[in-house]
Amino acid sequence: EAGVTQFPSHSVIEKGQTVTLRCDPISGHDNLYWYRRVMGKEIKFLLHFVKESKQDESGMPNNRFLAERTGGTYSTLKVQPAELEDSGVYFCASSRLSGTGNTEAFFGQGTRLTVV
Amino acid sequence: AQSVTQLGSHVSVSEGALVLLRCNYSSSVPPYLFWYVQYPNQGLQLLLKYTTGATLVKGINGFEAEFKKSETSFHLTKPSAHMSDAAEYFCAVNSPGAGSYQLTFGKGTKLSVIP
Repeated sequence: EAGVTQFPSHSVIEKGQTVTLRCDPISGHDNLYWYRRVMGKEIKFLLHFVKESKQDESGMPNNRFLAERTGGTYSTLKVQPAELEDSGVYFCASSRLSGTGNTEAFFGQGTRLTVV
Repeated sequence: AQSVTQLGSHVSVSEGALVLLRCNYSSSVPPYLFWYVQYPNQGLQLLLKYTTGATLVKGINGFEAEFKKSETSFHLTKPSAHMSDAAEYFCAVNSPGAGSYQLTFGKGTKLSVIP
């Protein structure tokens, strides 16, 4: 079974540009999460999809960030326009749907975003 | 609200020595607790988790953790360190009883194993 796949693995962009990160979850996983780790700090939750619906987007830092999950399959996270403080590693995770919240979340390798 | 504190951003142990990585949490409802590991250039991998039941949880690669409610702790241990254990370890909590499925992570502990 293929794991969670993220594209690209690295991205270097200039301040003010737009970047789109993509996440392909494990097939059959209805839950999809985005997290971010800024250098030296903890991994922080950004948002949670259940199928194509945003269940919780309380961690999204501001309106420069837009996440979508068309058709409940892959997801994209767009940053427009990018700022220096957006640099970090963006992780995607997926899990099976459960009412208990204890199903294992499988993480991708992350996308390292550098804004210069 | 939930939070996680990992004591020690870097821990060094000798090969064959005990590994102890500390994690304390706070949660307003019974928590689910997790330890993840990140090896260089890889994603996060689940080591073990506590949800309910037995408070001593065994995970992969010889690791185990004990949930101690009175101490609000979930420390990770391994009796004998191996070179391949060198990685960054993250403790995390979620509180599904409060309707929150998001994981809250600690800052991580980098483990070095000295030959």
